[in-house]
Amino acid sequence: GEDVEQSLFLSVREGDSSVINCTYTDSSSTYLYWYKQEPGAGLQLLTYIFSNMDMKQDQRLTVLLNKKDKHLSLRIADTQTGDSAIYFCATTRDNYGQNFVFGPGTRLSVLP
Amino acid sequence: DADVTQTPRNRITKTGKRIMLECSQTKGHDRMYWYRQDPGLGLRLIYYSFDVKDINKGEISDGYSVSRQAQAKFSLSLESAIPNQTALYFCATSDRGQGGYTFGSGTRLTVV
Repeated sequence: GEDVEQSLFLSVREGDSSVINCTYTDSSSTYLYWYKQEPGAGLQLLTYIFSNMDMKQDQRLTVLLNKKDKHLSLRIADTQTGDSAIYFCATTRDNYGQNFVFGPGTRLSVLP
Repeated sequence: DADVTQTPRNRITKTGKRIMLECSQTKGHDRMYWYRQDPGLGLRLIYYSFDVKDINKGEISDGYSVSRQAQAKFSLSLESAIPNQTALYFCATSDRGQGGYTFGSGTRLTVV
């Protein structure tokens, strides 16, 4: 079945850029998402990209998709302490939900 | 009020007990899901429902059951709780045609 991999931890200094990486195995993945989970909270949809795109920018967030390598990344510019959270990559082939696959999550720690 | 509300937020129960986790939503979404989160494993789908008459097993349905009482309510039951069901449980909803989910804040369940 589909597998989604992420590094479990990332530490950056406040003000630096963070890059969180994700690899997936299903070449049929059509929708690719980034979710943020703050302590004690549910997952919040940050951004998403369709497989026919290779980049999407939304304020401080930049998503890059390399379909050939099945690699997705999330860049956070000017990282702030409020960005400390767990970031989940997720993929699905369709909108039906049954094959929506999450990665293990990357815990981002922002150091002052 | 939150769009997706889960109750209880925390629960400690004994092995062998039956327990129900409840989820209600005000999004008007047809689709509802139950996920389990374990550290380093991401989220795994337990059950999902695309409307009141539709219930489907997910990746890890053994030991769980669900009930879709209404469009807005989807409950998860553990018929006889066991310690390896200790986890964080999330309910989520999605709109038809949209891939992104709205998550509840989670129920932290501990089985002792």
